[in-house]
This record gives sequence, C-alpha cells and structure tokens, in this order.
Amino acid sequence: ETGVTQTPRHLVMGMTNKKSLKCEQHLGHNAMYWYKQSAKKPLELMFVYSLEERVENNSVPSRFSPECPNSSHLFLHLHTLQPEDSALYLCASSQRPAGPSYEQYFGPGTRLTVT
Amino acid sequence: GNSVTQMEGPVTLSEEAFLTINCTYTATGYPSLFWYVQYPGEGLQLLLKATKADDKGSNKGFEATYRKETTSFHLEKGSVQVSDSAVYFCALSDRGESGGSNYKLTFGKGTLLTVNP
Repeated sequence: ETGVTQTPRHLVMGMTNKKSLKCEQHLGHNAMYWYKQSAKKPLELMFVYSLEERVENNSVPSRFSPECPNSSHLFLHLHTLQPEDSALYLCASSQRPAGPSYEQYFGPGTRLTVT
Repeated sequence: GNSVTQMEGPVTLSEEAFLTINCTYTATGYPSLFWYVQYPGEGLQLLLKATKADDKGSNKGFEATYRKETTSFHLEKGSVQVSDSAVYFCALSDRGESGGSNYKLTFGKGTLLTVNP
C-alpha cells in the first residue's frame, strides 16, 4: 500500500477535450510531484509543489495546468492535448526536502491516451 | 547537469540466476543514490538507497554499493525469483537548479527484468 492514490487509472480523451487527473496522498507529506512516463524515455519531472506552493515547472506546455489546493491533493488539468502527450502520468509525495536522501512515494499512475 | 545511465535491457533470466543491472551517474554535487522498482500496473516503489560513498543499500535480497570513484551504483541479486519481474530504475537526488532545498530525483530510463520459471 503506497498511500498515494490516483484517479482515474485510465483516460482516453480527444484533442479538444478538457479533463483533470486527481492525486491524493494519505501520508502526511507536504511536497507533491507530477511526472510523465513515456516509453523508452526517462521519467520526466513536470511540476513540484512544496507546502502548496509551486516550486518547480520544468518547461511544461501550458496545456498542462497543475493545481494544489491543500497538502493532500494535487490535480493536473488537461486541455487541447496532442497525441504525443499520451503517457503514464505519475503522482508522488514526500516530506519537504530537508536533505538529499528523502524518499518519494508514488501512486499507480493514470494511463492517458489522446486520440 | 545530472544524469543517470543504466543498461537498457530487456534482461531475461531463469529463476535462481544471478542478476546485475549496471548504473552509472554524473552529478554536480554529492548525490544520494536510489533503486526504484515498478511492478506491472503499479507506481514506483523505493527498493534501496545509499547516501554516501561506500554505503551499501540492501532490501529483499537486492544490494547496491555507492562507488564514488567509478560513479556507479550497480544493482545485484544472487538468486532471482519470478516475482522479481519488473522494471528497475536507478536514480539520484541532488539540489535542484535553483540551488535551494528542493531536491530533485533524476531517473535512468529503466531496465525491464523478466524471470522465467
């Protein structure tokens, strides 16, 4: 049991749709992350929230819009996506990094297919 | 910048065989090193970690030693089981580009391991 849940687990959407991915952590952590996992590529860090403030945005296109209303919930709002955005989107949480050996806890991911 | 290189795979072994998955890294600072495992249909789970040179991380029969002189963190297991079939990721954590306290994880591409009975 990872303590990090993601919904939905699978999502198929057209390029003109708007949808949202949801992540919830039950571990009392105060940092949350969105990653993109594509075939044959390293895991890509998209966004980092620490104490509900966005502290990292790795040149992600504006069609991806994160939201962190509190330390337990993280959303990724999607609109006008492209087929190359099809991937597994992983959410993770940790304690606010205080040193280099912290551990991130991952959810099971949302498999997104853009048609 | 930071980077992690691990053997591409896929790796296919018979049960009870010896496993080695190579991992080397480059880092601007003094990183901590991790191995994560992803079982089918699940997210990543921390398998083991090491925070300083010559440290050995171990868990579930897997081991890896932090070798600063060769910038390596190879994963080994003496006798693999079918249940070890998964994707294994080597990763490092170091300060983010801002230099602040927001440490980032940099991952390798992952190595798919299949263990046959």
